Amino acid sequence: DTGVSQDPRHKITKRGQNVTFRCDPISEHNRLYWYRQTLGQGPEFLTYFQNEAQLEKSRLLSDRFSAERPKGSFSTLEIQRTEQGDSAMYLCASSLAKGKAGSNTGELFFGEGSRLTVL
Amino acid sequence: AQSVTQPDIHITVSEGASLELRCNYSYGATPYLFWYVQSPGQGLQLLLKYFSGDTLVQGIKGFEAEFKRSQSSFNLRKPSVHWSDAAEYFCAVGAAGSYKLIFGSGTRLLVRP
Repeated sequence: DTGVSQDPRHKITKRGQNVTFRCDPISEHNRLYWYRQTLGQGPEFLTYFQNEAQLEKSRLLSDRFSAERPKGSFSTLEIQRTEQGDSAMYLCASSLAKGKAGSNTGELFFGEGSRLTVL
Repeated sequence: AQSVTQPDIHITVSEGASLELRCNYSYGATPYLFWYVQSPGQGLQLLLKYFSGDTLVQGIKGFEAEFKRSQSSFNLRKPSVHWSDAAEYFCAVGAAGSYKLIFGSGTRLLVRP
């Protein structure tokens, strides 16, 4: 088990360019989350998937952001027309929801993050 | 509104000294509470969690935390800090069965030799 992996670890781009991040969760985990972390702050929830279904998007996620998890395994987060305010660490996490209600044990396993710098 | 407050941005302790990191939460329902640690260049690692039962929970690396409902607090403690404990610590809250955690802004721990 290699844990949650994210790629790339660092991305520097010019304003207006598109970027895509990939997350590979722990293989048996059915939930996948994207968080954003800016300097001096804790992670902020962006969106999450249960299997391939995207079940919630934060209002932080503008129309320029899109996330997919096409086969319920890996996920991508794309940012179109990047702005300097998008500079942050993008964290992916996964978890295993169990039970009839899909209740979460609450333990999220985080990847090391993808750091985006928009110039 | 749901929120987590970590009032200390930075804390510096000497190696071998005891440590307490504060966390206060605001949550309408019975909360699930967590402490995560983030070392430079690494992802967040779960130290411990509280769901129910004994209000004093033990975690990894010698950490413990105490849930005090009356004070809406979940402070993290360690009796003797090691230099390798220098990192950023995040408190988080979630609801039973919820998919979403709300994190505090973190406390950076510095350890003096």
